[in-house]
Amino acid sequence: KAGVTQTPRYLIKTRGQQVTLSCSPISGHRSVSWYQQTPGQGLQFLFEYFSETQRNKGNFPGRFSGRQFSNSRSEMNVSTLELGDSALYLCASSQDNPSTDTQYFGPGTRLTVL
Amino acid sequence: GNSVTQMEGPVTLSEEAFLTINCTYTATGYPSLFWYVQYPGEGLQLLLKATKADDKGSNKGFEATYRKETTSFHLEKGSVQVSDSAVYFCALSDRGGGFKTIFGAGTRLFVKA
Repeated sequence: KAGVTQTPRYLIKTRGQQVTLSCSPISGHRSVSWYQQTPGQGLQFLFEYFSETQRNKGNFPGRFSGRQFSNSRSEMNVSTLELGDSALYLCASSQDNPSTDTQYFGPGTRLTVL
Repeated sequence: GNSVTQMEGPVTLSEEAFLTINCTYTATGYPSLFWYVQYPGEGLQLLLKATKADDKGSNKGFEATYRKETTSFHLEKGSVQVSDSAVYFCALSDRGGGFKTIFGAGTRLFVKA
């Protein structure tokens, strides 16, 4: 089975621009979660999508948004980029039940904002 | 809210030494607990998990026991190898309402030959 894939792997943007990151989950997985990893704040939960609906949301400003398609692929968008948005963005997929199911992480997209 | 606290690194050990990385948590209810490992330039890999009190998760020689009375989930390995050098994250996830995993700050481990 193919793992979680994220595209692009690396991205450089300038302040004020917007960016869209993509995540393809493992086949059969319906839950997709996004995390931001920075040296200062560590790993922080952004949001989770399940069956095209946002099921959980972390404490990030509205500039961060996401969506999920009927094939479970997910995108996250960051508008009006700030220098502090430079980070590794990780996507994780799972079947459904947090009590029994495992989250599998992709390799991440490294975003640099100049 | 839920939180995870793990020992600060870096931790530097010689090959074949005993490893302990401490992790404590604060949570309402009964979360599932995890240890993830991140090798340089890679994403996270699940190392082991435990879903209820007194469960012991184990994998690749690593072990951790879910201790509800001390709200702890310490990671141990009897004999580390150079290839174990990585960053280790303790994490928890509530049982209900989908996935919202809370991570500790991570502990970097260096193993010297």
